[in-house]
Amino acid sequence: EDQVTQSPEALRLQEGESSSLNCSYTVSGLRGLFWYRQDPGKGPEFLFTLYSAGEEKEKERLKATLTKKESFLHITAPKPEDSATYLCAVQARKAAGNKLTFGGGTRVLVKP
Amino acid sequence: DAGVIQSPRHEVTEMGQEVTLRCKPISGHDYLFWYRQTMMRGLELLIYFNNNVPIDDSGMPEDRFSAKMPNASFSTLKIQPSEPRDSAVYFCASSLRPTSGAGEQFFGPGTRLTVL
Repeated sequence: EDQVTQSPEALRLQEGESSSLNCSYTVSGLRGLFWYRQDPGKGPEFLFTLYSAGEEKEKERLKATLTKKESFLHITAPKPEDSATYLCAVQARKAAGNKLTFGGGTRVLVKP
Repeated sequence: DAGVIQSPRHEVTEMGQEVTLRCKPISGHDYLFWYRQTMMRGLELLIYFNNNVPIDDSGMPEDRFSAKMPNASFSTLKIQPSEPRDSAVYFCASSLRPTSGAGEQFFGPGTRLTVL
């Protein structure tokens, strides 16, 4: 059974204080690992897809990296508008359709 | 494109009433997914469709839940009768069949359901 565990559950940062979120996964053959951002009262918003170990992707102050067992979402010099819940999900190579298995998320609060 | 559209955005009902949630996927997408999100259980996949056909409904909690997709641009999730434990945010998502790589899912804004 595919499993995704995210840590920490919550993270409080000062504006400008860089940090990393962790997503550990077990999957029988990874097709893709996804990062989403979710703001309160909204649906998850797609950020990145990573396909293979060593791959990195960046978007503004966010950088996602992937190893064979985990992914990190690095937030560099965060701003208050980066406050959100960040969700990680995996898709197995043999998953029917485009099914995703989600982690529990990390709630990030960036204080000015 | 307007993205995935869901209605209503909020629904408050009394236990025992029928509830119908609606979703319009992104035009041209092959897959449609219904999720439920709670603090305790996170995001749970309830059912998904491929080309309007239900493929996997193993996440549907019980027979009180049913979903239909009569055409490529509309789907409903129905709860009858509703119970207080059904209170949650329900999301609809859609995606393309990937020609290469993985198929990213795009989510709607959700329907917040409260059953009193």
